[in-house]
Amino acid sequence: QKEVEQNSGPLSVPEGAIASLNCTYSDRGSQSFFWYRQYSGKSPELIMFIYSNGDKEDGRFTAQLNKASQYVSLLIRDSQPSDSATYLCAVTDPGSTSYDKVIFGPGTSLSVIP
Amino acid sequence: EAQVTQNPRYLITVTGKKLTVTCSQNMNHEYMSWYRQDPGLGLRQIYYSMNVEVTDKGDVPEGYKVSRKEKRNFPLILESPSPNQTSLYFCASSVQEGYGYTFGSGTRLTVV
Repeated sequence: QKEVEQNSGPLSVPEGAIASLNCTYSDRGSQSFFWYRQYSGKSPELIMFIYSNGDKEDGRFTAQLNKASQYVSLLIRDSQPSDSATYLCAVTDPGSTSYDKVIFGPGTSLSVIP
Repeated sequence: EAQVTQNPRYLITVTGKKLTVTCSQNMNHEYMSWYRQDPGLGLRQIYYSMNVEVTDKGDVPEGYKVSRKEKRNFPLILESPSPNQTSLYFCASSVQEGYGYTFGSGTRLTVV
C-alpha cells in the first residue's frame, strides 16, 4: 500500500514566524508533488507543485523536495492568521497504468496565533 | 470564471435510493476525478477519467459508477446508496497529469 505521511498536528506558530510542514512518501517512483490548503468546510486549493529536487519559491511559500530521502516540505514565511488551515501533501503514484494517480496525505492542521 | 461545479451541495437520502451527483468544469480539462473525504482517512480517490469515454477505478470504487460522455461533465452515480457512503465528496479536474487539481465545492452526502 503506497503511503503519504504527514504529522496531523495541530502545529501552532506565532504570527510572523516560519511554519514548516513535512511530508514523506513511500514510492520512489513518484514524480510530482503537490501542496494543497484546505480551510475548514471548504475544498482543497492548490498552493504549489514541485517536480525537481531542491527548492521552489512562490511568494511566502517555499516547497522543498528531496527525492533521495522521499521527503517534501512546505515553508510558510511571515505566517498570518489567514494561513490557519489544514495542509495536504499529495504525490503522484506511477503504478502500472498510464495515468499517474494522485495520493493524498492525511493533512497537517496549522494554527497561526496572533 | 474558471471553476468546477458540483451539485447538490448537501443531500440526505435513504438507503437504496439511486442518486447522481453532477460535476461540470469549464476549463476544457482532460482529467477529472472523484474523491471522498472522511475524518481520519483523508481524501481517497473513487474514480478518475483521462478523457471522454476513458475512466478507471481509484482506491475505493465499490458502490459507485461514473460516466464521461462529454469532456466537461463527470457525474458520480450511487445505484444503491448505503450508510457507509455517508461522506464529503469532491470532484476535481486537471489540465494534464502532474499539474494539480482544481476542486469543486464539495457535496456532503448523508445516507440514512
